[in-house]
Amino acid sequence: DARVTQTPRHKVTEMGQEVTMRCQPILGHNTVFWYRQTMMQGLELLAYFRNRAPLDDSGMPKDRFSAEMPDATLATLKIQPSEPRDSAVYFCASGPLDEGNTEAFFGQGTRLTVV
Amino acid sequence: GEDVEQSLFLSVREGDSSVINCTYTDSSSTYLYWYKQEPGAGLQLLTYIFSNMDMKQDQRLTVLLNKKDKHLSLRIADTQTGDSAIYFCAEKNSGYALNFGKGTSLLVTP
Repeated sequence: DARVTQTPRHKVTEMGQEVTMRCQPILGHNTVFWYRQTMMQGLELLAYFRNRAPLDDSGMPKDRFSAEMPDATLATLKIQPSEPRDSAVYFCASGPLDEGNTEAFFGQGTRLTVV
Repeated sequence: GEDVEQSLFLSVREGDSSVINCTYTDSSSTYLYWYKQEPGAGLQLLTYIFSNMDMKQDQRLTVLLNKKDKHLSLRIADTQTGDSAIYFCAEKNSGYALNFGKGTSLLVTP
């Protein structure tokens, strides 16, 4: 059955290391989101793409975070260098979003711990 | 950005009804959503309501929308222990992204 797949599910890394999180959206979905979930801030929108073009990345710290969609089957979120405050669960979501269609499907998330 | 506010915790007894409340500030919200998150899992869409509706019912779930007061609620009838989870309210305006509240942790006790 169709679902959003994120890898890795868990990542522990040392401060200063590069982290790459991957997302395979549901085939045919034209919109892909990256959210970050923490206890303090809840769910924050980091960036999203529509038809592979970045539409909004205003929620993302630009100096260390980057998001790309090299093709329609892969979205990546990279942190370089990582810091302990980046520890969170990162969710990717995709949807066939248009004027009449509104549902976004979430992946299981990548739990990132930076020590 | 615009705010979506929810109470953080709710505890109910099994078999009772649960009502989770949400308020939002964006008057241009077009769709409002309820998502459920179980431990260690992603968010699962439960239901959504278009802003020109005031009620939507789906089996045990009833969504009420008061657009004038910007208040959304989710009622779960005959709450079961399996309903224990975090429930997120979200709104979508003319853009494509969803803006989420911080979530309400629902605990259902036997």
